[in-house]
Amino acid sequence: EVRLVESGGGLVQPGESLRLSCAASGFTFSSYWMSWVRQAPGKGLEWVANIKQDGSENHFVDSVKGRFTISRDNAKNSLYLQMYSLRAEDMAVYYCARDSLTAPGTMDVWGKGTTVTVSS
Amino acid sequence: DIQMTQSPSTLSASVGDIVTITCRASQSINSWLAWYQQKPGKAPKLLIYKVSGLESGVPSRFSGRGSGTQFTLTISSLQPDDFATYYCQQYNSYPRTFGQGTKVEIK
Repeated sequence: EVRLVESGGGLVQPGESLRLSCAASGFTFSSYWMSWVRQAPGKGLEWVANIKQDGSENHFVDSVKGRFTISRDNAKNSLYLQMYSLRAEDMAVYYCARDSLTAPGTMDVWGKGTTVTVSS
Repeated sequence: DIQMTQSPSTLSASVGDIVTITCRASQSINSWLAWYQQKPGKAPKLLIYKVSGLESGVPSRFSGRGSGTQFTLTISSLQPDDFATYYCQQYNSYPRTFGQGTKVEIK
């Protein structure tokens, strides 16, 4: 079964850091671009970042550039999102998603999400 | 960044209705347009890619059309399982951007 499981969410204060992880199984992780997408409470979807199969290329939404980094460990079938200087507007459910091979740029497998709460 | 605007924001419909959701891009995205379905508390699900390509396992009552800047998602005969929020997404350029969503409610 193709599966993505996020972890690492929690409650942090503004300005603090957090590292999210995503464990992949059931497919050849190293063959896929991977993405993070977030959803603030009661709001729509926002694409956050993605990373190429070998980690050599990545892209970010402007609102997190310089504060978030994305990385992967293909040997561990894992994707990461390191978040620094967290703000109230970063509070959201963070989904890990696999970029489709059929339609690169779309996301065909999603995890259930991990919740990040930023509050003092 | 390319802005994606969906209309309507909310739609009330009955089982069996034909439902159409519109998505407009702030500039041409060629055919790089996808649609997702999301139910409360669940992750999104890819329905359609490249305007009209049906993702594996998605019922044929879902269809997409359009080009350039204007696109539509149509559900030909609304089923109880289709009450959800739908999002369009462009993947013509970075950052990938989504529409604000259209909630399909029971009338």
